[in-house]
Amino acid sequence: AQSVAQPEDQVNVAEGNPLTVKCTYSVSGNPYLFWYVQYPNRGLQFLLKYITGDNLVKGSYGFEAEFNKSQTSFHLKKPSALVSDSALYFCAVRDSNHGGSQGNLIFGKGTKLSVKP
Amino acid sequence: DAGVTQSPTHLIKTRGQHVTLRCSPISGHKSVSWYQQVLGQGPQFIFQYYEKEERGRGNFPDRFSARQFPNYSSELNVNALLLGDSALYLCATTSPGQGNTGELFFGEGSRLTVL
Repeated sequence: AQSVAQPEDQVNVAEGNPLTVKCTYSVSGNPYLFWYVQYPNRGLQFLLKYITGDNLVKGSYGFEAEFNKSQTSFHLKKPSALVSDSALYFCAVRDSNHGGSQGNLIFGKGTKLSVKP
Repeated sequence: DAGVTQSPTHLIKTRGQHVTLRCSPISGHKSVSWYQQVLGQGPQFIFQYYEKEERGRGNFPDRFSARQFPNYSSELNVNALLLGDSALYLCATTSPGQGNTGELFFGEGSRLTVL
């Protein structure tokens, strides 16, 4: 079965410091991996995705993520955090072997990122 | 260009009632998916429709149903509401031609409270 784990409920970072939000996944085929951000009482905004190719993926707002197949991880990173990055972050996976439903993303439970001035 | 639009944004119902939520996709997007996000959890897949046909269904009871119209807009219906149905209901669409590699574009959601 497909699954996503975000082991940290909350990550606290000082502004200007690097941040990492962790994600591990489990799929039977090749993973298609996504990161989304959600601000309070809002929908989800797409940040970046890994489909194939270079393991380091760059996305919106200076975020990047590194795909590690051996560790089945896809951690989200940013070199220098901003207070405005404070939000809820979701990792999601779609199994390439999961035929038919392109809408079926499996989401983690989310990690709350808090960036303090 | 308008993004994914959902209505209503907020609504309150009582147990046993029925609710209809609506979604209009981004222009040109033909696939619509519905997700339920309970407070403190990640979104859970309910349905996907493409070209008016159901293409996927999550682990939800038959009280949940949906349909897609010729203009690709969609409705999610929930019958016999339970307290546990209180959640943010999200609609999402995908760009045509991307298959399984496409990201989802989400609306702002409809927040349902069941009393």
